[in-house]
Amino acid sequence: QSALTQPASVSGSPGQSITISCTGTSSDVGAYNYVSWYQQHPGRAPKLLIYDVSNRPSGVSNRFSGSKSGNTASLTISGLQAEDEADYYCSSYTSSIQEFGGGTKLTVL
Amino acid sequence: QLQLQESGPGLVKPSETLSLTCTVSGGSISSSAYYWGWVRQPPGKGLEWIGSIFYSGTTYYNPSLKSRVTISVDTSKNQFSLKLSSVTAADTAVYYCARCDFWSGYFFDYWGQGTLVTVSS
Repeated sequence: QSALTQPASVSGSPGQSITISCTGTSSDVGAYNYVSWYQQHPGRAPKLLIYDVSNRPSGVSNRFSGSKSGNTASLTISGLQAEDEADYYCSSYTSSIQEFGGGTKLTVL
Repeated sequence: QLQLQESGPGLVKPSETLSLTCTVSGGSISSSAYYWGWVRQPPGKGLEWIGSIFYSGTTYYNPSLKSRVTISVDTSKNQFSLKLSSVTAADTAVYYCARCDFWSGYFFDYWGQGTLVTVSS
């Protein structure tokens, strides 16, 4: 059982926007602005998409954005593309520990 | 460009110790801005943080694995290593090594390709 709760799956059509939630507690997501998001295609290593709640690393499309409200962080993908179909994981720091969410499978219809 | 590469046995017997090494190239493991960590992923399941180490040797472990995990660093070889003792089939997973940037926040920005370790007799 993962420390952070994500929906198991989400779906959307090309061009649409989707949001994936990541719910923690007042000790992790709610306490620190250290939420990150990762994209993982089958058979590949995870790739950093968002760090510190809403920052994008160089080279990551601006179609990906992050936010946080209280104990819940969110990843929004706008203008869905077929290549966005992948698994997405949130992560949060808490007291020298890194936690991951259970992952969300995004299907592009 | 920073690169991380895991190495070690792909098959470990139950009750034995799993040992993996991560070799870092294209950058120094002795940077004060980064931790170096291990993350695993059982087949078909999600990511699990195992632990992280600073170049000085300071370690942080997942409480659920702490009693079985040892992470060490060899700055002269630009490597860090993972040992997981008393393994069972539940430890079968792809093991990733990754760099954790804790200067800008806390996130894994570079990952190795991962190595599958199977626990079986």
